[in-house]
Amino acid sequence: DGGITQSPKYLFRKEGQNVTLSCEQNLNHDAMYWYRQDPGQGLRLIYYSQIVNDFQKGDIAEGYSVSREKKESFPLTVTSAQKNPTAFYLCASSINQRAYEQYFGPGTRLTVT
Amino acid sequence: AQKITQTQPGMFVQEKEAVTLDCTYDTSDQSYGLFWYKQPSSGEMIFLIYQGSYDEQNATEGRYSLNFQKARKSANLVISASQLGDSAMYFCAMREASGGSYIPTFGRGTSLIVHP
Repeated sequence: DGGITQSPKYLFRKEGQNVTLSCEQNLNHDAMYWYRQDPGQGLRLIYYSQIVNDFQKGDIAEGYSVSREKKESFPLTVTSAQKNPTAFYLCASSINQRAYEQYFGPGTRLTVT
Repeated sequence: AQKITQTQPGMFVQEKEAVTLDCTYDTSDQSYGLFWYKQPSSGEMIFLIYQGSYDEQNATEGRYSLNFQKARKSANLVISASQLGDSAMYFCAMREASGGSYIPTFGRGTSLIVHP
């Protein structure tokens, strides 16, 4: 069964701690993406990666970091520098960056108190 | 200025009836793509339909069709014969070819509730 997995579904952290959100895909897709969703808002792009060992900042990259050491994995670290980290985080992938269909994972809801 | 505007925060429809969800967009590109995604309460985004700016026919996928009016810059989603399982958030998105990133920009979404 091919798809994207994100774990955990719910994550709670104390303010000031870094936290890493997992995203794994077995679709053999080259491109991967991280989005943030706040209540009443659409998705906003945090980072994207077209290929292994390469990634680009999106619209709201401040306070976040990523790595792409393997094709199937694109973890997102929410650092203590992110001023308002509580949100719903969605990972997606596509065959390549030009492909119009993105496949999304189930999301991780992060709550920082 | 917002690139994607969805003016209906919430819509209600009776089961088995059709419903139109509005989307207008803003771009100066000649080449662009328009998308609709569904987000059920579980949170996962589900791709529904795609329309390229050069496509002459409106896109259709089963009960979903995209009413593409290029001159008006509108890309409304029409869901025919609504089902209870259609209750969800619906997002319109656009990606432009300029800049080379091909990353879509999403609207704020419309919440659809289907009544039995």
